[in-house]
Amino acid sequence: DAKTTQPTSMDCAEGRAANLPCNHSTISGNEYVYWYRQIHSQGPQYIIHGLKNNETNEMASLIITEDRKSSTLILPHATLRDTAVYYCIVRGSNDYKLSFGAGTTVTVRA
Amino acid sequence: NAGVTQTPKFRVLKTGQSMTLLCAQDMNHEYMYWYRQDPGMGLRLIHYSVGEGTTAKGEVPDGYNVSRLKKQNFLLGLESAAPSQTSVYFCASSYSAPTRAEQFFGPGTRLTVL
Repeated sequence: DAKTTQPTSMDCAEGRAANLPCNHSTISGNEYVYWYRQIHSQGPQYIIHGLKNNETNEMASLIITEDRKSSTLILPHATLRDTAVYYCIVRGSNDYKLSFGAGTTVTVRA
Repeated sequence: NAGVTQTPKFRVLKTGQSMTLLCAQDMNHEYMYWYRQDPGMGLRLIHYSVGEGTTAKGEVPDGYNVSRLKKQNFLLGLESAAPSQTSVYFCASSYSAPTRAEQFFGPGTRLTVL
């Protein structure tokens, strides 16, 4: 019972912004949107999360639509090291597990 | 800060053998988790712990046991390994506050059961 839908893959040019979309049309009021990424063979890495406001940190920005049914992760200046699988996860405040779907495979090209 | 560390990094077992995977974190996190990741798939939660001395089942707990005798350590045991348990195992930890619940992952243990 997938809570999020992401494109299977996308390419991005080095130095350009990468915009990763995620649909979560069944999100409920107390559920957060989390983004993680997994670089080949490594453990997943937390990127950012938000409830309803847009968020920004040193890695990325998260834009959540007003109806909260979708969001976009923005990597402002993609580098080759940003090549990874990116997971959009909806998580309730009392959920202990992270439900990792297939994610989006992002390939940054020189 | 070492973060989350896992021991061993690689292991090959024969069917029926037992082993224990060790996870350690130095961030004073209350919560700890064990996940497995099969090729081409996302992570699935095996067991988790919300504090020292507590454990609970996740999505795929069969064939595994866990213990959390110390806050900083979370052990995953396989009593009688099966080929279906060939996977990459990731440990993670987090604070308990809902607004600071991001999980920090270890580098993984690659287990092959022959």
